[in-house]
Amino acid sequence: EAGVTQSPTHLIKTRGQQATLRCSPISGHTSVYWYQQALGLGLQFLLWYDEGEERNRGNFPPRFSGRQFPNYSSELNVNALELEDSALYLCASSLPHGPGTDTQYFGPGTRLTVL
Amino acid sequence: GQQLNQSPQSMFIQEGEDVSMNCTSSSIFNTWLWYKQEPGEGPVLLIALYKAGELTSNGRLTAQFGITRKDSFLNISASIPSDVGIYFCAGTRMYGGATNKLIFGTGTLLAVQP
Repeated sequence: EAGVTQSPTHLIKTRGQQATLRCSPISGHTSVYWYQQALGLGLQFLLWYDEGEERNRGNFPPRFSGRQFPNYSSELNVNALELEDSALYLCASSLPHGPGTDTQYFGPGTRLTVL
Repeated sequence: GQQLNQSPQSMFIQEGEDVSMNCTSSSIFNTWLWYKQEPGEGPVLLIALYKAGELTSNGRLTAQFGITRKDSFLNISASIPSDVGIYFCAGTRMYGGATNKLIFGTGTLLAVQP
């Protein structure tokens, strides 16, 4: 069974540009989560999508946004990029609501570098 | 952002030694998860715990969900070089509605010398 996939693997942008990151969840998973992991730091929760809707949002500015498509894949958009947005962006997925749905499985991440 | 207190920050051990790390929180959690992350990769789930007092093993790894719901530990027995990586605890808190937001520990860097 295929795990969570993310693309691209690496992304290099300049300040002020926009970045789009993509994620495909494990088959059967309807929830998708986005996390930011800056170098040397832990994982910070960004967004949670379930059944196409944004369910929860972390403490990040509005220029971080996303969406979930009918096939449950998801996109994370970062507008007006700043140098401190450079980080590993991780996507995770989990089963629909029910026992064990708190267990999230992670993709390999997208390394975003802002110059 | 909010993070769990995880200790130790780093461990440098000899191959064959046992390892123990733990996470604590001032809040009650309803799920505890332990992940391992290697450089440039996403975290890989090691063990998931869903009930207070639950003790679960996965090969040489054993983890427990604390009775108070505010802590968890992970033990690795007879460490080997491929155990090297950063270990994160993570948990979901008890809210009235489902938030499904994982809160992560600060990580424990494990180095194993052959």
